[in-house]
Amino acid sequence: NAGVTQTPKFQVLKTGQSMTLQCAQDMNHNSMYWYRQDPGMGLRLIYYSASEGTTDKGEVPNGYNVSRLNKREFSLRLESAAPSQTSVYFCASSEARGPFRMGYTFGSGTRLTVV
Amino acid sequence: KNQVEQSPQSLIILEGKNCTLQCNYTVSPFSNLRWYKQDTGRGPVSLTIMTFSENTKSNGRYTATLDADTKQSSLHITASQLSDSASYICVVSAIGNQFYFGTGTSLTVIP
Repeated sequence: NAGVTQTPKFQVLKTGQSMTLQCAQDMNHNSMYWYRQDPGMGLRLIYYSASEGTTDKGEVPNGYNVSRLNKREFSLRLESAAPSQTSVYFCASSEARGPFRMGYTFGSGTRLTVV
Repeated sequence: KNQVEQSPQSLIILEGKNCTLQCNYTVSPFSNLRWYKQDTGRGPVSLTIMTFSENTKSNGRYTATLDADTKQSSLHITASQLSDSASYICVVSAIGNQFYFGTGTSLTVIP
C-alpha cells in the first residue's frame, strides 16, 4: 500500500547543479504528474504523462525535463538549478474510475532549496 | 479564463466549533470537483469528489456541497478537532483531463 513514493524528501542544491527527482507508483495508474507548490500560489503543473511513452508540458515547464521510464516511474530533472526553483515538488498519479471520474493520489513531496 | 478561488485564505477556530470553507470556480466544461486535505509537510489527500449531479456528499465530519448553477462549492467541518488543522485545497476538473487548483484555505484549530 505504498501509493506514490517520492525521493528524496529534502535536497539542497547550489545554483547550476543538476538533479533528478524520482517518483514511483504501485497502483497501475496510467497518468502521472509533477507539481510544484509555492506559498500563496497553490499547486502548479510542471509536466504530466497521460500514459506510458507520452509526456506533455504543463503550466510551468521551463527549466525542467521529465522521463516516463515505464508505467510505474516518472522522473523530473533539473539540468541547471536556479533559486527560483526553490519549492516543494509533488508527484501524483491518477486513473479514471468511471466516465470523467479521475482519482488523484499524491506523494509526500520533495522540499528543494537552491542556494 | 478557468480559475478556482478559495476563501477565506486562512481561518482560526476553537476546537469543537464548526466552520465552512468556500470554493468558487469558473472552470468549463465542468467534470468534477474535489476537496483535498494537506497536512503540513505531506501531500494532499482526497476528502470528497463531486460530479455535476451531486449536491451534497459527506465523509465523516466533512460535508461538501456543490451548486453547479452558481459554480460554488463549500466544505463544512463539524465539531472540529486539532487534527483538522491543515490546508484544504479545492480542485476542479474540466472535461478533457484538465485540473485547476485553488490556492487553499489554511485552517488552524486551537484548544
